[in-house]
Amino acid sequence: EAGVVQSPRYKIIEKKQPVAFWCNPISGHNTLYWYLQNLGQGPELLIRYENEEAVDDSQLPKDRFSAERLKGVDSTLKIQPAELGDSAVYLCASSLSGGAVDTQYFGPGTRLTVL
Amino acid sequence: GEDVEQSLFLSVREGDSSVINCTYTDSSSTYLYWYKQEPGAGLQLLTYIFSNMDMKQDQRLTVLLNKKDKHLSLRIADTQTGDSAIYFCAESPFDNDMRFGAGTRLTVKP
Repeated sequence: EAGVVQSPRYKIIEKKQPVAFWCNPISGHNTLYWYLQNLGQGPELLIRYENEEAVDDSQLPKDRFSAERLKGVDSTLKIQPAELGDSAVYLCASSLSGGAVDTQYFGPGTRLTVL
Repeated sequence: GEDVEQSLFLSVREGDSSVINCTYTDSSSTYLYWYKQEPGAGLQLLTYIFSNMDMKQDQRLTVLLNKKDKHLSLRIADTQTGDSAIYFCAESPFDNDMRFGAGTRLTVKP
């Protein structure tokens, strides 16, 4: 069974440019998470989806970040415009039901470098 | 403090035991987790412990939980070079999202 797929794996852009990341969760997983991981830090939740509904986006900087999960499967995370401080790894994870003991499976991440 | 805290680095010799420590913040956390992250990869769940347990053993891994001190530890017996990675402690507070520590980089020397 395929794991969580993310693309691209690496992205280098200049500041003020837009960028988008894509995530395909494990088949059948209802809950999808986007995390931000800065160098030397643990992941920090940006947004959580239950099916197609964003149930927790309190940490998503809505002035420049947006996300969608049309049809409750794949998801995209967009930054427009990107800033130097957005350089980080963006991780996607999925789980079956989103409960406390529900295992989250992580993708390999997209490493973004903003010049 | 408000952060899940871990020491940043640990170095051990192959065959020795490794002990990675973590202090979490929220006593309402029902489950506490240990994740492993290898270079260029996402996080892999190693094990978790329910908050009403003191200890959980899974092959070479032993998790100890001290709820009074909000202290969690992960012991890896007979550490191998393949165990070299970053280990993250995470808490799952009641009615809130998972919170991760900054990670402990384990280096295993042959």
